[in-house]
Amino acid sequence: RKEVEQDPGPFNVPEGATVAFNCTYSNSASQSFFWYRQDCRKEPKLLMSVYSSGNEDGRFTAQLNRASQYISLLIRDSKLSDSATYLCVVNYNQGGKLIFGQGTELSVKP
Amino acid sequence: DTEVTQTPKHLVMGMTNKKSLKCEQHMGHRAMYWYKQKAKKPPELMFVYSYEKLSINESVPSRFSPECPNSSLLNLHLHALQPEDSALYLCASSQDPQDTQYFGPGTRLTVL
Repeated sequence: RKEVEQDPGPFNVPEGATVAFNCTYSNSASQSFFWYRQDCRKEPKLLMSVYSSGNEDGRFTAQLNRASQYISLLIRDSKLSDSATYLCVVNYNQGGKLIFGQGTELSVKP
Repeated sequence: DTEVTQTPKHLVMGMTNKKSLKCEQHMGHRAMYWYKQKAKKPPELMFVYSYEKLSINESVPSRFSPECPNSSLLNLHLHALQPEDSALYLCASSQDPQDTQYFGPGTRLTVL
């Protein structure tokens, strides 16, 4: 079993759609959680940190369920510019080693 | 400002060449990282420097040699690489190892 697992992609959605990504992690000692987005041939960029209380940034909402070891990202009112690969990332606090999911590719179409 | 810079942006080298990748940050971060990323795969950690000391080496072949001259700079020295080493090499930094990591734009390396 992979340490961090994400929904397989790609997700192809129309503009304005709501899309949800899910992620599970295997190590219950995990300390911090993130969603990064990565555009084609670019570096990963931090989208959001994820907190137990849930957090929202505009059209983006992230949730963490420590009991189920589950992380989610909800994107409302999708824009063409949201097209990217979304990486679920977990930090076990093992000296800075991040554990990446395989990424979920999102394509938003007109 | 969360900027990490990397040079060069692109590098083509032969298997007998020696080259270096450079990474710089001026955010006062004390942890710096090298990652390797192949197409359609997530980044793979290579090395971690924490407070200018090498703290993690993910069993990387010795043809890759990291160096941290000071708290703002990180180099990756390359020698006798193989074509399968062609990839995007990403540098990242964080305030300290348990904090959020910020990535540089990467160096796209091609080994002929």
